[in-house]
Amino acid sequence: EVQLVESGGGLVQPGGSLRLSCAASRFTFTTYWMSWVRQAPGKGLEWVANIKQDGLEKYYVDSVKGRFTVSRDNAKNSLYLQMNSLRVEDSAVYFCARYTISADAFDIWGQGTMVTVSS
Amino acid sequence: QTVVTQEPSFSVSPGGTVTLTCGLSSDSVSTSYYPSWYQQTPGQAPRTLIYNTNTRSSGVPDRFSGSILANKAALTITGAQADDESDYFCLLYMGGGIWVFGGGTKLTVL
Repeated sequence: EVQLVESGGGLVQPGGSLRLSCAASRFTFTTYWMSWVRQAPGKGLEWVANIKQDGLEKYYVDSVKGRFTVSRDNAKNSLYLQMNSLRVEDSAVYFCARYTISADAFDIWGQGTMVTVSS
Repeated sequence: QTVVTQEPSFSVSPGGTVTLTCGLSSDSVSTSYYPSWYQQTPGQAPRTLIYNTNTRSSGVPDRFSGSILANKAALTITGAQADDESDYFCLLYMGGGIWVFGGGTKLTVL
């Protein structure tokens, strides 16, 4: 079964950093764009970032530009999100998702990892 | 800033039909926005229902359908069932690599 498994969430103080990981399995990771989507407690979904197959194109929602960096290691079938200068409003469940060009949609989702930014 | 609008809540009777919509604050939604729809129950990851406006994702029952209605993307559930009670989110492509979700619709089946 195609699978995405996130890890790396936790409690961090405002201004701190955290690195999320997403391990992909049972599909050809190198042929897909990948994405991060977050959901604050009790709120809706928010697209955060996309990264192209070769890692050379990246896009971000305005609220995280300059603070978050999406990257990937195709040799390890892994996606990452480096989050710096974290704010209270970044607290959310962060989902890793596979983006399929043919569908122009996110078709596979991980279960998410919780990030809490609090003093 | 572009806002994607959805009804905050909707109610449907079991067996009934409901249409949820997804609009834009500053434009009409067309297929060029590649609308897709996601279902989510509390504590779970989203599930992809519809992509490219009207294509059902694998394993999605045919009681779910997507379309463009009156300049909005629409998700219609025909013959609603109790386990359709969920949050539904639409997603639009804004161009330039940017995607925006709607605020979501909480659907109650009662």
